[in-house]
Amino acid sequence: ETTVTQSPASLSMAIGEKVTIRCITSTDIDDDMNWYQQKPGEPPKLLISEGNTLRPGVPSRFSSSGYGTDFVFTIENMLSEDVADYYCLQSDNLPLTFGGGTKLEIK
Amino acid sequence: EVQLVESGGGLVKPGGSLKLSCAASGFAFSSYDMSWVRQTPEKRLEWVAYISSGGGSTYYPDTVKGRFTISRDNAKNTLYLQMSSLKSEDTAMYYCARHSGWLLPFDYWGQGTTLTVSS
Repeated sequence: ETTVTQSPASLSMAIGEKVTIRCITSTDIDDDMNWYQQKPGEPPKLLISEGNTLRPGVPSRFSSSGYGTDFVFTIENMLSEDVADYYCLQSDNLPLTFGGGTKLEIK
Repeated sequence: EVQLVESGGGLVKPGGSLKLSCAASGFAFSSYDMSWVRQTPEKRLEWVAYISSGGGSTYYPDTVKGRFTISRDNAKNTLYLQMSSLKSEDTAMYYCARHSGWLLPFDYWGQGTTLTVSS
C-alpha cells in the first residue's frame, strides 16, 4: 500500500500570497498524483489530474509539479474563494490512497 | 450534466447491515468504472470499493474486504454498496464517484449519504 503524507495540515495565507502544499508518497508513483479541492458542504472537486494536468475550467493560478515520490500543489495569488480543504490522491496502484488534507484559511 | 445521487444512509447498530444506492444520470453509466469513497467525521478521505464498468471486477481495501460488497445495475444506472458487520469506525459520509478510466482519479462525485454506526 502507498502511504501519502500531506503537509501542512493547515495553512493561513493572505490574499495574493502564494500557497504551497506538499505530498510525499511511500512508493514511486510516477506522476500519478491528483489534487482535489473541497469546500464546506460539497464533495471534493478534481482540480489537477495525473501528469500535472489542469482540469477544464480550473483557473490557471492552480498548478502542480512532481514525479516519483515528491509532489507540490501551488496556488499563485490566493483569492478569498480558494478557502477550502485540499487533498492529494495517488492513483498509481490499489488501494487508492489520499493525503490527510490541508485546511487553507485567510490570514 | 453528470449527476450522482446517493441514498440509503442512516443510523445502524454495531454489527448491523445497510445498503447504499447511487443513481447516475447525464452520462453513459455502463461505460464507466465507479467507486465508493467515504469521509470520516475527522474529514479523512478513504476509498472503500471499486467496480469495473461491466461489473465483472471489484476491488476493496483491507479495511472493508469481506464486509462490503459493491455492485451495479447498468440497466437501472444504479450503483450499490452492501455493508455488513458494521463498526463504529465505518461512521462517515459515503460518496459514489465516477472514474475517468481504469485507475484514473474520480472526476465526478455525488453529494453523499451519511452512515452512523452507534448503539
